[in-house]
Amino acid sequence: EPEVTQTPSHQVTQMGQEVILRCVPISNHLYFYWYRQILGQKVEFLVSFYNNEISEKSEIFDDQFSVERPDGSNFTLKIRSTKLEDSAMYFCASSETGSGGYEQYFGPGTRLTVT
Amino acid sequence: KQEVTQIPAALSVPEGENLVLNCSFTDSAIYNLQWFRQDPGKGLTSLLLIQSSQREQTSGRLNASLDKSSGRSTLYIAASQPGDSATYLCAVRPVAGAGSYQLTFGKGTKLSVIP
Repeated sequence: EPEVTQTPSHQVTQMGQEVILRCVPISNHLYFYWYRQILGQKVEFLVSFYNNEISEKSEIFDDQFSVERPDGSNFTLKIRSTKLEDSAMYFCASSETGSGGYEQYFGPGTRLTVT
Repeated sequence: KQEVTQIPAALSVPEGENLVLNCSFTDSAIYNLQWFRQDPGKGLTSLLLIQSSQREQTSGRLNASLDKSSGRSTLYIAASQPGDSATYLCAVRPVAGAGSYQLTFGKGTKLSVIP
């Protein structure tokens, strides 16, 4: 069964460093998302992406964050200068279309630890 | 702003028992509602998606209902098994417009099924 994959599973970085989290969405899906979950808190939406541009972003997704689909398979989230409060589990998701009839499928997550 | 609440936060039941998990949301203008399962330190597995026009959806031992007007959904698990132990999350998607792609999550109900 097709699934969303994410690498790395765990990333440790120092405050102020740039990190890139990588995702491979399900191959026939057209909409891509990033969410994050700070330990013990709710899963929060960051950004959605379609047709090589951002469709929607939350207040969390400030200038320190960017997303890119560098080729036909990968979808990346970049954090330019990490802060301690960026420590969280980051989930990539994809859906076949953006319409409400289609589920969002989530990857296993990347645990980001900022020290 | 949409708020999603799940009560109880934790639930412990003996194996074989039928159980109901609750989800409530403040804004009834939703496109769909999705139930997920999250195992410790893992990603989100989609269990069921209910469209706003539907009353319920079934998958195996799981049955999810939706009462959009009252802002409630329930997830019924029949004949619970130890393997059902996980955190169950519900998430709602708003109708088309700003914010229409993002899912808003509850904090989850942590279920423990005791052998």
